[in-house]
Amino acid sequence: EVQLVESGGGLVQPGGSLRLSCSASGFTFRSSAMHWVRQAPGKGLEYVGAITTNGRATYYADSVQGRFIISRDNSKNTLYLQMSSLSSEDTAVYYCLKEPDYGTSSGFDYWGPGTLVTVSA
Amino acid sequence: IQLTQSPASLSASVGDRITLTCRASQGIATSLAWYQQKPGNVPKLLIYAASALQSGVPSRFSGSGFGIDFTLNISSLQPEDFATYYCQQLSSYPLTFGGGTKVEIK
Repeated sequence: EVQLVESGGGLVQPGGSLRLSCSASGFTFRSSAMHWVRQAPGKGLEYVGAITTNGRATYYADSVQGRFIISRDNSKNTLYLQMSSLSSEDTAVYYCLKEPDYGTSSGFDYWGPGTLVTVSA
Repeated sequence: IQLTQSPASLSASVGDRITLTCRASQGIATSLAWYQQKPGNVPKLLIYAASALQSGVPSRFSGSGFGIDFTLNISSLQPEDFATYYCQQLSSYPLTFGGGTKVEIK
């Protein structure tokens, strides 16, 4: 059974940094591209970015480009999201997603439960 | 690529047929997915490739469209269908979402 569990969320001051982790199990992690999506309280879904299987390529939303870095450690079955220069607009639940075996065209059916990041003084 | 969903919200009754729309700012062929999200829950994949029903999703849900305009239909609304629905384009990065349509009980 595919399991994705995010961790690392919490309260951070504006301008601060935070690193989220997503621990994966139940599938061959090194063979799956991975993605991050976030959702501000009471708002819609916002795509954050993705990383290829070997970590050599990453993709980001314009809103986080240059501030967020997605990485992975295939030996630990773990995905990371390093966030810096945080503002209140980054307050959200952050979800990690497993890319389907046949690529993104199949949609995302595996989501973690999410971890809440609150940016506030 | 921007996705515009309409309406932003709608009120309907159990048994109603409803149509939700999603318009892309440029052509995306059939690279579109629909999700359902209930309060406090993770989004659930309903439809992918614009019209393919995800395994386990009731057949009252159907999707259609190509290029720019897409629709999600629910043929006979059930109490468990009251939720917020999102479209997502899967054509090019970043894989953007629409703003959502909230379906409420009339």
